[in-house]
Amino acid sequence: GAVVSQHPSRVICKSGTSVKIECRSLDFQATTMFWYRQFPKQSLMLMATSNEGSKATYEQGVEKDKFLINHASLTLSTLTVTSAHPEDSSFYICSAAGFSGANVLTFGAGSRLTVL
Amino acid sequence: AQSVAQPEDQVNVAEGNPLTVKCTYSVSGNPYLFWYVQYPNRGLQFLLKYITGDNLVKGSYGFEAEFNKSQTSFHLKKPSALVSDSALYFCAVRDRASGTYKYIFGTGTRLKVLA
Repeated sequence: GAVVSQHPSRVICKSGTSVKIECRSLDFQATTMFWYRQFPKQSLMLMATSNEGSKATYEQGVEKDKFLINHASLTLSTLTVTSAHPEDSSFYICSAAGFSGANVLTFGAGSRLTVL
Repeated sequence: AQSVAQPEDQVNVAEGNPLTVKCTYSVSGNPYLFWYVQYPNRGLQFLLKYITGDNLVKGSYGFEAEFNKSQTSFHLKKPSALVSDSALYFCAVRDRASGTYKYIFGTGTRLKVLA
């Protein structure tokens, strides 16, 4: 079945530094990847849609200069939280589409970011 | 606008009893509907989907869901709950109008199965 690997699973950083989170589709080519943010006891908030070889499409209210998304290949998308601040602390989840015929998104295991 | 509603924040059920987690939707056209489960500090795992065909959809771990077009509902059910079913459940609809795999998620329902 389809597998999406997300790394790192946990990261702690100091305020003002940048953090990169990777999302890889291991056994299929993901034409589209999505990045979500999940606050405690809340639903997933779609941050952006990432298409291979083109600029990401950000949802309203999401700062594109703050959350840099790169989808350089059909198996890898990265989210970089730039100049992180404590309010950026959250659980970030990626998902990938493209597993042929499944009509189903495959999710990564998530990355918990803590900014001190 | 397309939307998904999960009216219950939490559902408690005794182990061995049947469980239902409710979901209603609002879409234009025929919906693609999904249920996902999330365990603590984990991503979402796919349970089942309705695209077309039989209204009763069977999925992973003994779960099933019934698509009811007249009531615009897609409730998740299981005949006999297990303690290990305790988790956060999300209903989702695919935004077909966007032409992408963009999903709209409900707010989630926390299921607690009591031993």
